[in-house]
Amino acid sequence: DTAVSQTPKYLVTQMGNDKSIKCEQNLGHDTMYWYKQDSKKFLKIMFSYNNKELIINETVPNRFSPKSPDKAHLNLHINSLELGDSAVYFCASSLPGHSRGTQYFGPGTRLLVL
Amino acid sequence: AQSVTQPDIHITVSEGASLELRCNYSYGATPYLFWYVQSPGQGLQLLLKYFSGDTLVQGIKGFEAEFKRSQSSFNLRKPSVHWSDAAEYFCAVVVKWSAGNMLTFGGGTRLMVKP
Repeated sequence: DTAVSQTPKYLVTQMGNDKSIKCEQNLGHDTMYWYKQDSKKFLKIMFSYNNKELIINETVPNRFSPKSPDKAHLNLHINSLELGDSAVYFCASSLPGHSRGTQYFGPGTRLLVL
Repeated sequence: AQSVTQPDIHITVSEGASLELRCNYSYGATPYLFWYVQSPGQGLQLLLKYFSGDTLVQGIKGFEAEFKRSQSSFNLRKPSVHWSDAAEYFCAVVVKWSAGNMLTFGGGTRLMVKP
């Protein structure tokens, strides 16, 4: 009965490869997010989707492409991986408006690019 | 633009001692404020939140935080720390968009607990 789940938990890959991270939430939330946590633990928003529609797109290289097949899923595809993409990627979800921003986070995907 | 500052990168306290983690924000309107905890190798868990009303909010695991508008602060406190509280703590503020709510995080404070 995991609320927000991500797969895989760990991902080790070579530079130049393309990889995807999947996120699913069973909370019935309308809004989902991707955050990146760097090696210094700094957390930054990357994308936000509401009902499958892109709401927030921070300054992220266009090698990163989120895809939301339905409002319970938000996947992150990364093309041409670079060393600097190594980080922990967190998915989160929330109800918009009334809940005023309480977000529920997944366990994270630890990406290492060699 | 809004920002969140956690002045202390590391804090070490003895088990049983009291704890206060500092958080300052810079935001024009009334903020929605949060504290999250991240245990080693884990995701983020919400400890508590402030939206409006009583400026002293209670959270899980015996934590509380006080919103002080005059000081632009939202400090996290616990009267008696347990070894299991060792973790990374993040203060965050919501910038409200029309449909989504973007969390802006502080840099985090790593708490270490001495036996």
